[in-house]
Amino acid sequence: GQNIDQPTEMTATEGAIVQINCTYQTSGFNGLFWYQQHAGEAPTFLSYNVLDGLEEKGRFSSFLSRSKGYSYLLLKELQMKDSASYLCAVMDSNYQLIWGAGTKLIIKP
Amino acid sequence: DADVTQTPRNRITKTGKRIMLECSQTKGHDRMYWYRQDPGLGLRLIYYSFDVKDINKGEISDGYSVSRQAQAKFSLSLESAIPNQTALYFCATSDHGQHTGELFFGEGSRLTVL
Repeated sequence: GQNIDQPTEMTATEGAIVQINCTYQTSGFNGLFWYQQHAGEAPTFLSYNVLDGLEEKGRFSSFLSRSKGYSYLLLKELQMKDSASYLCAVMDSNYQLIWGAGTKLIIKP
Repeated sequence: DADVTQTPRNRITKTGKRIMLECSQTKGHDRMYWYRQDPGLGLRLIYYSFDVKDINKGEISDGYSVSRQAQAKFSLSLESAIPNQTALYFCATSDHGQHTGELFFGEGSRLTVL
């Protein structure tokens, strides 16, 4: 079956760096996506990786290794507003998005 | 105004009642989706539509039906609601091609079935 794994919850300190990992096993691969979801709100798109390597977008970066079925989202200079859930999703061979359960990130002062 | 609008935002109903959740969008996207989100689980796809004449079942379509009334409108119906359909429901849209995985979500409809 298809599976996306990510930690349930992580805690980090304001101003620090945190890395949220995602591993996947899917039927084919047509890209990996990261979304941010604040409590009670809709998910919003953060990043897209289809080739191996690092994509940087401001304080956020996303890395992909297709051979390892692995990605991470790196958040730098953490701010309190970064407290949210981070959802990893993979597009399979049928161009369907398979979603992880999300990682709840708690930022402490 | 939001690009993807869902109504109602909150609804409490009783077992056996028929419920309709409506979604409209101003993104001009052809592709529309209905998901449900439950605590501890990933988003699960209920139905999706790639254009007005196209309707496809998702992972968990049993107990649900949809209607794509126009490019901008996609509604989800629960013909006879049951308690395990209590969840947060999201409508989403996307463009086609390489951007198809970049979804734009509505604000969500929280449904409680008693």
